Amino acid sequence: GAGVSQTPSNKVTEKGKYVELRCDPISGHTALYWYRQSLGQGPEFLIYFQGTGAADDSGLPNDRFFAVRPEGSVSTLKIQRTERGDSAVYLCASNPSGGPYNEQFFGPGTRLTVL
Amino acid sequence: AQTVTQSQPEMSVQEAETVTLSCTYDTSESDYYLFWYKQPPSRQMILVIRQEAYKQQNATENRFSVNFQKAAKSFSLKISDSQLGDAAMYFCAYQTGTASKLTFGTGTRLQVTL
Repeated sequence: GAGVSQTPSNKVTEKGKYVELRCDPISGHTALYWYRQSLGQGPEFLIYFQGTGAADDSGLPNDRFFAVRPEGSVSTLKIQRTERGDSAVYLCASNPSGGPYNEQFFGPGTRLTVL
Repeated sequence: AQTVTQSQPEMSVQEAETVTLSCTYDTSESDYYLFWYKQPPSRQMILVIRQEAYKQQNATENRFSVNFQKAAKSFSLKISDSQLGDAAMYFCAYQTGTASKLTFGTGTRLQVTL
């Protein structure tokens, strides 16, 4: 079946603009995760959804970052007033039920460049 | 806070040889899980192998195996009979027994030469 998909694959924006990044998880997966991967670093956790609700948003760096998952499937990561430091690859992952030890299936990421 | 350290930014191995990638972690938890993920140039992270901390037996998946030393908080990955397709970034990751998020190290870039 289809894996996790993310759109767009690349996004270039100007400092101060608003961006939305989309994630389509594997069908039926209730758990969805967002990570941010800066150049030369490992992915860094942002937020975890279980169904429609954010079960853990402890990784969101500040209030410019917000994510939603209104119907428990597709998720959108929203970044307001983008800064150059937001430039990174944003990865989305899903798994069937959340919880520890379960494999997280990753998408190919969205590379965000803030000029 | 838990941390994961990968002290080898780059490693190189000849095709068909064996290579070991190092990972250490810091935690005060007793219940946790450890993972190795592979990230090829396509950026898509792929699970290679995982280990439950309460299991003493080292996990094995075909050519991939781990050396889990709980007291030393060490979790190294051994790749046997290396193949060109093994070339990628490898990330070690930690997960507590109660949370779902993964904490990753900074990665090791593996090159496989002929």
